[in-house]
Amino acid sequence: AQKITQTQPGMFVQEKEAVTLDCTYDTSDPSYGLFWYKQPSSGEMIFLIYQGSYDQQNATEGRYSLNFQKARKSANLVISASQLGDSAMYFCAMRVHPRDSNYQLIWGAGTKLIIKP
Amino acid sequence: DGGITQSPKYLFRKEGQNVTLSCEQNLNHDAMYWYRQDPGQGLRLIYYSQIVNDFQKGDIAEGYSVSREKKESFPLTVTSAQKNPTAFYLCASSLGQGYTDTQYFGPGTRLTVL
Repeated sequence: AQKITQTQPGMFVQEKEAVTLDCTYDTSDPSYGLFWYKQPSSGEMIFLIYQGSYDQQNATEGRYSLNFQKARKSANLVISASQLGDSAMYFCAMRVHPRDSNYQLIWGAGTKLIIKP
Repeated sequence: DGGITQSPKYLFRKEGQNVTLSCEQNLNHDAMYWYRQDPGQGLRLIYYSQIVNDFQKGDIAEGYSVSREKKESFPLTVTSAQKNPTAFYLCASSLGQGYTDTQYFGPGTRLTVL
């Protein structure tokens, strides 16, 4: 079964520290994409970063990087130098190569990150 | 600026009424989606559309209907058959349906049944 697991329901981090949000995934399909989204209290779902299963290097986007460990089926999000504006819910999601008519993203339960001043 | 717009931001519905949520995108994306999010929960797929005049049910389609007459627009109707419609509704779009295609989201509509 295809599944995303986020084991940290909530995290408190001091401002300017680095943050690692955990995400493990389960799929037997060799072709898949992993996505991280940020959802602030306003509700909008903001795309942060993408990692493809065949990508050789870890993805980076500004202060965001994805620590992709394929053998461990792990795709942790790392936020460097955290800021107060990083306080939000963070969701990990996966999309596999479609073999049938189901094209949806598979979502984790999310991690609530609070940055302390 | 390219993006996805949803309206209204807040919507109040009386029992027994149908309401329609608007979703428009100018990203020239082929695929569009509707999700529902309940408090403290993740997203659940209601409907998706790969191309104009075609759409498919997601996991929780009962009590909802959609249309896709134009590439840019994918309105969602919450019918009176939906027993618990109070929720946050998010519309998304992606260039295609492949596993590398990123879904981009609109700002959402918060629906409350009075």
